[in-house]
Amino acid sequence: EAQVTQNPRYLITVTGKKLTVTCSQNMNHEYMSWYRQDPGLGLRQIYYSMNVEVTDKGDVPEGYKVSRKEKRNFPLILESPSPNQTSLYFCASSLGETPNEKLFFGSGTQLSVL
Amino acid sequence: KQEVTQIPAALSVPEGENLVLNCSFTDSAIYNLQWFRQDPGKGLTSLLLIQSSQREQTSGRLNASLDKSSGRSTLYIAASQPGDSATYLCAVRQTNAGKSTFGDGTTLTVKP
Repeated sequence: EAQVTQNPRYLITVTGKKLTVTCSQNMNHEYMSWYRQDPGLGLRQIYYSMNVEVTDKGDVPEGYKVSRKEKRNFPLILESPSPNQTSLYFCASSLGETPNEKLFFGSGTQLSVL
Repeated sequence: KQEVTQIPAALSVPEGENLVLNCSFTDSAIYNLQWFRQDPGKGLTSLLLIQSSQREQTSGRLNASLDKSSGRSTLYIAASQPGDSATYLCAVRQTNAGKSTFGDGTTLTVKP
């Protein structure tokens, strides 16, 4: 089944403890992206990647890192999480070649930073 | 910077009614516009995608239109059902195909 898989689904951590949220897609998509969703602020783009070893900042990249060493994986890294990074995170992917490609989303990761 | 606005923020209708959700954007240099559905606590499900060169797309009871010159898109839902209750988001992807901007969504409630 074609899908975008995020792990974990829920995560509770403490301030300053490094964490990684994994994202993997099995559709051979070139484009991958991370978003956070907050009440009253909607979905905001954190980082995106057009292909392997190519990443770029979205609208809210501060406090986050990403890497794209393989086509299928696009992990989101929080080196020193803070309470303001408590949010619902989504990973998405698309083929990346034409304007007719839909974005496919993972099920989300609910992160709480205490 | 692209800004996407969705009006209304919430909408409640009786079952069977036809309805229109609105999405407006400020920068017409878009790659495509996509409508999504989000159920509470869940991910986003793609409903319709309109390329920048297209005017509308249809899928079942859903019809989405795009007017780039005026920076507007509409999602028309025919014969609404309680199962249509969800939050509907529109997303604009920029011409360089990398950045995307989402509206805040319209929360739809269809009453039996």
